[in-house]
Amino acid sequence: QKEVEQNSGPLSVPEGAIASLNCTYSDRGSQSFFWYRQYSGKSPELIMSIYSNGDKEDGRFTAQLNKASQYVSLLIRDSQPSDSATYLCAVNIGGLSGGYNKLIFGAGTRLAVHP
Amino acid sequence: EPEVTQTPSHQVTQMGQEVILRCVPISNHLYFYWYRQILGQKVEFLVSFYNNEISEKSEIFDDQFSVERPDGSNFTLKIRSTKLEDSAMYFCASSEEAGGRAFFGQGTRLTVV
Repeated sequence: QKEVEQNSGPLSVPEGAIASLNCTYSDRGSQSFFWYRQYSGKSPELIMSIYSNGDKEDGRFTAQLNKASQYVSLLIRDSQPSDSATYLCAVNIGGLSGGYNKLIFGAGTRLAVHP
Repeated sequence: EPEVTQTPSHQVTQMGQEVILRCVPISNHLYFYWYRQILGQKVEFLVSFYNNEISEKSEIFDDQFSVERPDGSNFTLKIRSTKLEDSAMYFCASSEEAGGRAFFGQGTRLTVV
């Protein structure tokens, strides 16, 4: 089983719609979860972090975490063409040192917002 | 706003040569990371570093790679005997605490010819 899994997409949504991106992870002990946005040829840009079960909202973005189901999601409301990018789910998983200092990325979901 | 900076932005090297990629993490951050992204593929974890030693490393991070914090500001990744398949974007990241938010530099594109 892969450590962090995402649907590769592309996910195509019309401008103004809600985009829903999903991620599952394998390590039940993981405690910190992140969403990054990556434009083509650029570095990952942190957009959301979440540590507790439930929802966390920041502007048009809402991250949702369900540790029992090992599931993280990202909702983007009022999607804009400028949101078109690859969205990376990242999870800190346990390492050989016993700590959780190994941030592992999913393969990313490509989002296309069309006018 | 503080940011992670990486130099050079692009490095071309001949196969078999050694390269050093440099990073200046955010100043109050204590945890440092290197990642690799081969064109069209996922962002892959290489190594995490804390308190002047490696805390975690991946299977990719073998004897060909080493990391160092030579002074109070720089964090380097050395790749020995470069191979064609080492061609990739290399990202440095830093975080304030273990498991905390990690911020990425703009990357170094390494091309091995």
